[in-house]
Amino acid sequence: NAGVMQNPRHLVRRRGQEARLRCSPVKGHSHVYWYRQLPEEGLKFMVYLQKENIIDESGMPKERFSAEFPKEGPSILRIQQVVRGDSAAYFCASSPKGKGTLGTEAFFGQGTRLTVV
Amino acid sequence: AQTVTQSQPEMSVQEAETVTLSCTYDTSENNYYLFWYKQPPSRQMILVIRQEAYKQQNATENRFSVNFQKAAKSFSLKISDSQLGDTAMYFCAFMTVNQAGTALIFGKGTTLSVSS
Repeated sequence: NAGVMQNPRHLVRRRGQEARLRCSPVKGHSHVYWYRQLPEEGLKFMVYLQKENIIDESGMPKERFSAEFPKEGPSILRIQQVVRGDSAAYFCASSPKGKGTLGTEAFFGQGTRLTVV
Repeated sequence: AQTVTQSQPEMSVQEAETVTLSCTYDTSENNYYLFWYKQPPSRQMILVIRQEAYKQQNATENRFSVNFQKAAKSFSLKISDSQLGDTAMYFCAFMTVNQAGTALIFGKGTTLSVSS
């Protein structure tokens, strides 16, 4: 009964490169959330996806960041042309049910620590 | 906008004592869930306790209990008989349940240190 799996755990990228962060939700979960944790701050919501759909991307920077959750495979958070300010821990969470449903809770992965050098 | 505020960046407590972490939130929704998550140094986010807004009874999980004051929009976490393993960052979180849908909204966290 695997939980939310994120990989890699640690990712180092040079400025200008692309970073791809993967999140495999709990089996059967169709809702995925991405959060960013900056040093000394709490978790910041980035994007909420269901299979093949972006539901809420109000927390995503307008440029360089994108996310997807395809019908098959993990959810991907992609950061293009990374800058030092992108260095942070990125957490993924999944839940079995989404909006309008009782009993919803999210299960978190262990996060990916992105370091931009 | 929905917000969650944790006004205590850091707290400390002696082993076996009781500590209360505060959390307030702001929403116009009537149906929602509140959570406390624990983030130890491993960075894994662990669900500590949850509360459904429609339930008046405060949730309890072993040494952890909440004081949920819906009118005041307050959701504090009480840890009794604190243990060294409780040392972690604690996040208060809020999730609405409606047709518009939303994600979990977190507070900035409270770092709790338990000393012997």
